[in-house]
Amino acid sequence: QQPVQSPQAVILREGEDAVINCSSSKALYSVHWYRQKHGEAPVFLMILLKGGEQKGHEKISASFNEKKQQSSLYLTASQLSYSGTYFCGPRIFNDYKLSFGAGTTVTVRA
Amino acid sequence: DVKVTQSSRYLVKRTGEKVFLECVQDMDHENMFWYRQDPGLGLRLIYFSYDVKMKEKGDIPEGYSVSREKKERFSLILESASTNQTSMYLCASISQGAYGYTFGSGTRLTVV
Repeated sequence: QQPVQSPQAVILREGEDAVINCSSSKALYSVHWYRQKHGEAPVFLMILLKGGEQKGHEKISASFNEKKQQSSLYLTASQLSYSGTYFCGPRIFNDYKLSFGAGTTVTVRA
Repeated sequence: DVKVTQSSRYLVKRTGEKVFLECVQDMDHENMFWYRQDPGLGLRLIYFSYDVKMKEKGDIPEGYSVSREKKERFSLILESASTNQTSMYLCASISQGAYGYTFGSGTRLTVV
């Protein structure tokens, strides 16, 4: 069962902020976030682990509320390079498969 | 860097043909996955495999099968291609204990 992402799309000007939300109906072990630029493969951004540990390497932050089975991705002071489609992929414990959300398309304009 | 290679970037096949999509990874990953990507629907899991000769159905396995005879290779098979299987197909892999998937560049399949 796919998680629900919102919004479906967002348009920003450089320097503006945005939040992308992801909700799951299942108890989660972790949440993955990926970004896909047009015509390219999705690229791993970060993982939010149960217990609050965050691992990633981009200047984009995220949170994970285990009780609500929700995660949010924060794009702060957006740059043109942030444009793309963002997917969340919740993971159930001891199961490597991910069911991805439908994606959120982010367009950052100069 | 880990590489996941999909043999074809674009493929055009006729209805009823048997179609093979190949995926090879070069980092000894145990876990491999096939997704299809359609506008508005995101990435949907077709099949996955956690070991050689092992396969499990994902969320939308109908009309597909898979083969994993070697650890590095995971093949998706469309037994009798239909027009509703026109889509972008993405292969991904991850090792035990790793954090994120590595995706291949995708195969855009058109069934006419």
